[in-house]
Amino acid sequence: KQEVTQIPAALSVPEGENLVLNCSFTDSAIYNLQWFRQDPGKGLTSLLLIQSSQREQTSGRLNASLDKSSGRSTLYIAASQPGDSATYLCAVEYNFNKFYFGSGTKLNVKP
Amino acid sequence: DVKVTQSSRYLVKRTGEKVFLECVQDMDHENMFWYRQDPGLGLRLIYFSYDVKMKEKGDIPEGYSVSREKKERFSLILESASTNQTSMYLCASSLPVTYEQYFGPGTRLTVT
Repeated sequence: KQEVTQIPAALSVPEGENLVLNCSFTDSAIYNLQWFRQDPGKGLTSLLLIQSSQREQTSGRLNASLDKSSGRSTLYIAASQPGDSATYLCAVEYNFNKFYFGSGTKLNVKP
Repeated sequence: DVKVTQSSRYLVKRTGEKVFLECVQDMDHENMFWYRQDPGLGLRLIYFSYDVKMKEKGDIPEGYSVSREKKERFSLILESASTNQTSMYLCASSLPVTYEQYFGPGTRLTVT
């Protein structure tokens, strides 16, 4: 069974701070890794997709990196804002169309 | 913009009822998925489909079936709803090359 772990489970930071969310996985033979955000009671919104041949992806204030050999990905959020408050999930694709999700990091950015 | 829609945001059903959850995507994606999300357990894959009339079991298919008669529509069926199927159900579709997933808003199902 593939394991995807996200640490910390919850994080509270003041507005403006840069922060890093972590995702680790047990098997380095992955196809893709995708980061999502989820607002309470809502579906998931795709943030970034990193394919196995890539090391990082950037979108605006977000940067995601992938290190397959160590089984880790990080999501870096620059200059955090209250609107960034949400749960952030990573998902790892091991086999064709088989995605495994972490339990998420719940982020609270305080004004 | 990719749009994935689900037929209901909230649904309350009785034990033993047959329940249909509908999902529609408008981007001609081949791949579609059904997940359920529970506190402490995260998202778990129930079924996925990689083409019309094609389906594969995910990690927790017991008590569920699916139907994909048209490319844009993927239905999840609870043959006889039970209280342990109370959950948030999320539908997704994905691009054929990068497999980036796009999710619908979710259906919160309560079985009483």
